[in-house]
Amino acid sequence: EDQVTQSPEALRLQEGESSSLNCSYTVSGLRGLFWYRQDPGKGPEFLFTLYSAGEEKEKERLKATLTKKESFLHITAPKPEDSATYLCAVQARSGGYNKLIFGAGTRLAVHP
Amino acid sequence: KAGVTQTPRYLIKTRGQQVTLSCSPISGHRSVSWYQQTPGQGLQFLFEYFSETQRNKGNFPGRFSGRQFSNSRSEMNVSTLELGDSALYLCASSPRWDTYNEQFFGPGTRLTVL
Repeated sequence: EDQVTQSPEALRLQEGESSSLNCSYTVSGLRGLFWYRQDPGKGPEFLFTLYSAGEEKEKERLKATLTKKESFLHITAPKPEDSATYLCAVQARSGGYNKLIFGAGTRLAVHP
Repeated sequence: KAGVTQTPRYLIKTRGQQVTLSCSPISGHRSVSWYQQTPGQGLQFLFEYFSETQRNKGNFPGRFSGRQFSNSRSEMNVSTLELGDSALYLCASSPRWDTYNEQFFGPGTRLTVL
């Protein structure tokens, strides 16, 4: 069964304290892995897409990497404005249809 | 450029009723996807419409249906509401279908079923 698991569920960091979020997945025929950021009361905001093992993408303090079974979102020297829920999703195909399968998310809180 | 808009923002219904939610995509976007977000199940993909045709779908019962109009606006309908349908319903638009890296989400409709 296609599945996406994110860890940790919640993470509290001090400003400037770097860390990583994990997204492990089991899916037949990965067609893409996506990272989103969601602020309270808002819809998710797209961050990155990764397609193949070894691929890396960077944006400001965020860097996403992909292996055959998991993806990491590295946050370097985070600031309070990086506080949000980070969602990972994989694109899978089933019954002739594509669909996105989301993980439960990691709630990140960065304190000054 | 205006973002994705969803109406209404909040809705209260009772069990057994039906509900229709509306989503207006970003101008020029022709694909609209719908999602359900709950604390227990997280974010789940419902379906995607492009050029008035359903192109992709998740694993939801037939009570959940949608349609798309020629101006790309989309509606989602849930019939015979159940308590478990209480959720935030999000729609997202993109220029093309099956391109989730170009999706922009709306603010959502908060549905409460009593």
